[in-house]
Amino acid sequence: GQNIDQPTEMTATEGAIVQINCTYQTSGFNGLFWYQQHAGEAPTFLSYNVLDGLEEKGRFSSFLSRSKGYSYLLLKELQMKDSASYLCAVISNDYKLSFGAGTTVTVRA
Amino acid sequence: IAGITQAPTSQILAAGRRMTLRCTQDMRHNAMYWYRQDLGLGLRLIHYSNTAGTTGKGEVPDGYSVSRANTDDFPLTLASAVPSQTSVYFCASSDGQGATDTQYFGPGTRLTVL
Repeated sequence: GQNIDQPTEMTATEGAIVQINCTYQTSGFNGLFWYQQHAGEAPTFLSYNVLDGLEEKGRFSSFLSRSKGYSYLLLKELQMKDSASYLCAVISNDYKLSFGAGTTVTVRA
Repeated sequence: IAGITQAPTSQILAAGRRMTLRCTQDMRHNAMYWYRQDLGLGLRLIHYSNTAGTTGKGEVPDGYSVSRANTDDFPLTLASAVPSQTSVYFCASSDGQGATDTQYFGPGTRLTVL
């Protein structure tokens, strides 16, 4: 089975940095995705990691450690529009995505 | 380019009724998926199709059926709806090229079964 854990909620101030952690235990591993989902909307793709290390994409970065079963999503220079849920998802040997429950980030002025 | 469309946007349904949720994509993606999203549980895969003419069961397939007659359409049918099927349903599609395959999601259907 798949077990993907991430915090339920986080709050941060506009302009600050927030790190969302994700740990996973899955039957096989072929990569890890992060999606952003605003309330009432569809999830949208943010990042994909398959090798260890940091992938940077503008204000957002994603890190992966395969040996530790661990990833984080780093959001820098937070803006109000970054208030959303962030979904960690692992693609396993059967190429199916398994999702964590999501982390709701609230950005305050 | 519309991407992925779903219909209806929302629906209130009496228990025991039959309901089909529609999903259409115009990206010529091979693979399509149906998920349900419930508070505290995240997205869970119901059924999937790797290519037209084939379907497979996901994590929570009971009470649901799908068909994939062509590349663009992937309807999800609830034969006899029950209150536990109250959820938000998302359809997704992808190229189907393996591990790096990014899934793109439709806007969702909010279904309430009374």
